[in-house]
Parts: sequence; C-alpha cells; structure tokens
Amino acid sequence: GAGVSQSPRYKVAKRGQDVALRCDPISGHVSLFWYQQALGQGPEFLTYFQNEAQLDKSGLPSDRFFAERPEGSVSTLKIQRTQQEDSAVYLCASSWQLSTDTQYFGPGTRLTVL
Amino acid sequence: SQQGEEDPQALSIQEGENATMNCSYKTSINNLQWYRQNSGRGLVHLILIRSNEREKHSGRLRVTLDTSKKSSSLLITASRAADTASYFCATDGGGKLIFGQGTELSVKP
Repeated sequence: GAGVSQSPRYKVAKRGQDVALRCDPISGHVSLFWYQQALGQGPEFLTYFQNEAQLDKSGLPSDRFFAERPEGSVSTLKIQRTQQEDSAVYLCASSWQLSTDTQYFGPGTRLTVL
Repeated sequence: SQQGEEDPQALSIQEGENATMNCSYKTSINNLQWYRQNSGRGLVHLILIRSNEREKHSGRLRVTLDTSKKSSSLLITASRAADTASYFCATDGGGKLIFGQGTELSVKP
C-alpha cells in the first residue's frame, strides 16, 4: 500500500515568506507526527495529532509555527514569516493507533530559507 | 534537545565486515527503536526492542538493550554497500520519538 507522502519535496523561500507543507499519512492511521531535522542532526519532535486533535505541540519552536489536521487525515504544517534558522528537513510520520506504535515516515520536505 | 548519544558518529568498513553502533540514553524508557536514513530520504524503521527484552534479531540485524546502563547496540552482520546510511536510535518519550544524533555508516565495496 501507499506510504506517507509529503509535498512539496523541496521548497525555497525568501526570508519573511509564509510556507505550507503537506503530509498525507497512511490511510487509516490515527496518529500523525511532525519532526524537524537540521543538517547532520537527528529529527526533533514538533507536534502530534490523534485524529484531528493536536495533543502535543510542545516542540514547536515559536508561534510562527502552526499545524493542523482538520479532518483527521491530511495535515499541514505552516511556518509564517520564515527565518534562515527554519531551514531544515521537515518529516511527517504516522502510526496505526497508539502513539507508541511503530511510526512510518514520509520522505520529508527540505526547506531552504534565503 | 536530544535524548541519546550515538557512538561512533561515523564508521567506515569494508563489505562483508560487521558494523556495531551504540546508543546511550538518559531517562527510563518503554521501548527503543532503530531507524535507517539514506541520503536525502525519510527514515525507515528497522527494529523495536521493549524495555523488558534484552536482545532481538531481524535478519542481519541484532539489537541489544541494557536498561541498567541505559544503552543499546545495533549490530549489522555481513554488511553490504547498500547498508550505507545514517542510523538513529530513538526512545519513546510519551508517544513522541526522541532521537539521537545518529551514526553515519559507510560500507565500501
């Protein structure tokens, strides 16, 4: 079956622009996660949804970052007024039911802020 | 902030050799997972070991867990060039995964 997909795969933004990153989880997966991966580092947790409910957003670095999953499937991570330090790969993952189930990752969106 | 540290940060071996990577973590865990990431791609789940398990095998992979030392190791036997990738351990932090910084493995043909 289809895995987690993310779009766009690459995004270049000028500093100050808003961006929206999309994640399509595996069909039927209840839990959805966003992670940020800086170059040469491991992924760092941003936020977690169970269906449409955002249960944990403790990893969002600032109020410029906003995530939603209005119908409990597709999710969008929005970054307002992008800064150079936002440059990273943004990974989305989904899991079947519980947040402790195996997480399946998408290919990521590489964001470069100039 | 990241939970664990992986050792070594980089490892270069010849095809056919075994590769061992170590991971240490700080807090108590429910489980520990290992992931592989090829250059420019997403993470692929390799294996999960629960806190009450000491060793687990999957194909050419062998994972050990020592909760008293808060450490885990991943052994890849008979390595292949296709095993070249970054390997990350991740612990369960209340649902979210907490990753180490990874070991970059290079397997030369």
